[in-house]
Amino acid sequence: DVVMTQSPLSLPVTLGQPASISCRSSQSLEYSDGNTYLNWFHQRPGQSPRRLIYKVSKRDSGVPDRFSGSGSGTDFTLKIARVEAEDVGVYYCMQGTHWPPYTFGQGTKLDIK
Amino acid sequence: QITLKESGPTLVKPTQTLTLTCTFSGFSLTTSGVGVGWIRQPPGKPLEWLALIYWNGDELYNPSLKNRLTITKGTSKNQVVLTMTNMDPVDTATHYCARTSSVYDGFDYWGQGTLVTVTS
Repeated sequence: DVVMTQSPLSLPVTLGQPASISCRSSQSLEYSDGNTYLNWFHQRPGQSPRRLIYKVSKRDSGVPDRFSGSGSGTDFTLKIARVEAEDVGVYYCMQGTHWPPYTFGQGTKLDIK
Repeated sequence: QITLKESGPTLVKPTQTLTLTCTFSGFSLTTSGVGVGWIRQPPGKPLEWLALIYWNGDELYNPSLKNRLTITKGTSKNQVVLTMTNMDPVDTATHYCARTSSVYDGFDYWGQGTLVTVTS
């Protein structure tokens, strides 16, 4: 199985400041078709996860442009340009290249300082 | 508007079989590329993918749980059913069903989740 490792696991951020979450995979996530299938999800407290980013950097409909994804191979990053109160919760990366199983990271909890 | 909703028991006893139903609307499970999957989340823990069924009937399972899981299309065109045998207290979790529109791009729509507690 591909192991997804996120850091940090806890991320206190001041409102209006940037935030960055790292995700590393135990194998390259580049698929034979040239795409890299790395997703990011956000789960607010008491809610279901919501996909923010797919294929490393493509934002889902309705996702604010302050969210951006980057990376390649085994190293990926989710950046929030300016953190807002609604951004609190847990962020998960998930790989869709080597399955089964699809695997998630252990989560990064973002809260406001 | 795409929606998914999970239903099933909230309590099961150890060794029993859990049956969960996902009822969805706003898309068809006969559309090429579309799938419905199940993901669980023990309290305070990360997400774990369980199983997925595709538009063409292909089934995928998490190898660590494969012997205990069965995913099927329901008798109604807009339902997917997951069964998990031999439940144990460590299986206590919120179970989500979710849609995928590509086998590689994860899950773009999620249900609200249903908490299943395993206790005697």
